[in-house]
Amino acid sequence: DQQVKQNSPSLSVQEGRISILNCDYTNSMFDYFLWYKKYPAEGPTFLISISSIKDKNEDGRFTVFLNKSAKHLSLHIVPSQPGDSAVYFCAASASQGGSEKLVFGKGTKLTVNP
Amino acid sequence: DGGITQSPKYLFRKEGQNVTLSCEQNLNHDAMYWYRQDPGQGLRLIYYSQIVNDFQKGDIAEGYSVSREKKESFPLTVTSAQKNPTAFYLCASRDYWGRGGKDTQYFGPGTRLTVL
Repeated sequence: DQQVKQNSPSLSVQEGRISILNCDYTNSMFDYFLWYKKYPAEGPTFLISISSIKDKNEDGRFTVFLNKSAKHLSLHIVPSQPGDSAVYFCAASASQGGSEKLVFGKGTKLTVNP
Repeated sequence: DGGITQSPKYLFRKEGQNVTLSCEQNLNHDAMYWYRQDPGQGLRLIYYSQIVNDFQKGDIAEGYSVSREKKESFPLTVTSAQKNPTAFYLCASRDYWGRGGKDTQYFGPGTRLTVL
């Protein structure tokens, strides 16, 4: 039972355009969401997070949007750069019950073409 | 520099042998985690530890063992009972009060284990 789903295995965009990566979740107890970026043979690096009390969080070129009613979040990268080419993982956690675990999606491979 | 280190970067082992992967952090984080990544599978949790001398099984703990004798160290042993040990192994620690906020985990560079 996959609680966090990234339905697009890959995405290709032109440099300078917007990249939109999507993530859906099924567990209504999730109240904290994160995006990680991963290059091959390296560990994931934390990008941006959002709490369920917000619907938007911005950090430079990266913005995460959360739609709780749809159980959907998205990561927008504007403008996209070739160095953004990587696999992006969505992750979620539930604070109730003292959960210490993150649940990860399977990732979306972003390719930004020069 | 603070960070998480994993060694070695690449590890080869013969079938039937146990092998231990190292994970060290100097970030003073309480919680540490082990994941494995397989192609198309995302990150799956093997074990995690919230404090010294305590750890819990994750989603795929069978064939693995851990110890947490020191706050800085959380080694993972891949035993011969693990049926499919070839994978990329990632260690992480949790920063409760940092930039990412609660539950943000920070990852080491990973160890690629190949069973021959």
